[in-house]
Amino acid sequence: GAGVSQSPRYKVAKRGQDVALRCDPISGHVSLFWYQQALGQGPEFLTYFQNEAQLDKSGLPSDRFFAERPEGSVSTLKIQRTQQEDSAVYLCASSFTDRGLGTLHFGNGTRLTVT
Amino acid sequence: TQLLEQSPQFLSIQEGENLTVYCNSSSVFSSLQWYRQEPGEGPVLLVTVVTGGEVKKLKRLTFQFGDARKDSSLHITAAQPGDTGLYLCAGVGRDDKIIFGKGTRLHILP
Repeated sequence: GAGVSQSPRYKVAKRGQDVALRCDPISGHVSLFWYQQALGQGPEFLTYFQNEAQLDKSGLPSDRFFAERPEGSVSTLKIQRTQQEDSAVYLCASSFTDRGLGTLHFGNGTRLTVT
Repeated sequence: TQLLEQSPQFLSIQEGENLTVYCNSSSVFSSLQWYRQEPGEGPVLLVTVVTGGEVKKLKRLTFQFGDARKDSSLHITAAQPGDTGLYLCAGVGRDDKIIFGKGTRLHILP
């Protein structure tokens, strides 16, 4: 596709449920980032992949959050036992270069609401 | 921890007016980027500034990177309703992590 695609666009989960959020980056992009954006805030870094390697997961808020990119393209962010504070927009971005000066191309995000 | 502070947090002005928004940090960044985000969409890159003191112009938008590479400003001349959005600055820090400020929410009144 022409841009970064995220699915689902919206997700409502009951507290305690597991969710999986998908990101299809731009073909050929080496770097993939996940960010969490709370209402009215800027994106907060969660994790970074260079191809299939997860080089930085320092932003994941707890061990309930897990991300993978097994073949170096599609990535999945999984949240186990969701809590209300997990409600946010989850943004995925990809970049042609390894991180540094590359342009981040963002998807439109998945809005997660935990009830 | 490297932080980027943006000000003002909100700005509402009339069409045709000029405005400046700021992005400040106590840390040095190897480069800074400005993004604009519209509701329901992801941020879109406007510009990257790399050299201290650098000035870049994008039509009515002027971006400046501070000499010490700790701060940046975005100046908009003759604002238009289409400029409405959330303006985010992002810095590439020491560990190559890209971090974002909380943004300036700009509303241009017709």
